[in-house]
Amino acid sequence: EIVLTQSPGTLSLSPGERATFSCRASQSVNSRYLAWYQQKPGQAPRLLIYGASSRATDITDRFSGSGSGTDFTLTISRLEPEDFAMYYCQQYGSSPWTFGQGTKVEIK
Amino acid sequence: QVQLVESGGGVVQPGRSLRLSCVASGFTFSNYGMHWVRQAPGKGLEWVADIWYDGSNKHYADSVKGRLTISRDNSRNTLYLQMNSLRAEDTAVYYCARDGGNDYGYGIGDHWGQGTLVTVSS
Repeated sequence: EIVLTQSPGTLSLSPGERATFSCRASQSVNSRYLAWYQQKPGQAPRLLIYGASSRATDITDRFSGSGSGTDFTLTISRLEPEDFAMYYCQQYGSSPWTFGQGTKVEIK
Repeated sequence: QVQLVESGGGVVQPGRSLRLSCVASGFTFSNYGMHWVRQAPGKGLEWVADIWYDGSNKHYADSVKGRLTISRDNSRNTLYLQMNSLRAEDTAVYYCARDGGNDYGYGIGDHWGQGTLVTVSS
């Protein structure tokens, strides 16, 4: 099973700032099969990024993903109020599909 | 638009059973694989099980193998999760999710329901 470790656990930033956070895999993720989700309190997760760097339908270009192998990054270029939420990475290259423990982006 | 609506959650005693349902609309259900993913209170996401579009293949997390069973009825556009021998550690919100398939990749949830809460407690 591939273990995903996200860092930092919490990111405290102000609106307009850039957010960057990491997802590290315990072994190489096949073919960049890495996704990112956003989850707000009381809501279901929403798919943001798939294939490590492709945005899902209707996702703003403020979100970008990068990386390969064992190291992946999600960047939010300029934080909007609606971006303060939890973010999870997920690998789907090797069963069982696994998630990271999440990074919380909170208002500073 | 794609809609997934879960139901069947509630409070159940350890060792008892429960069946969750997820009714799909807004897309051709029989063309897509489906997932169950759970989230314990205040915790992260845990993939539970998935099923192919036609029900011919199913996969489970080790933590639920032999106790939880995923199934589907394509004539009713409904996904199920039969939960037997429930334990306290099964307490979670259970989400159904549509598999990303050819659009996003197999193993991704591209649309999610709002979830149903299962509480296992005596």
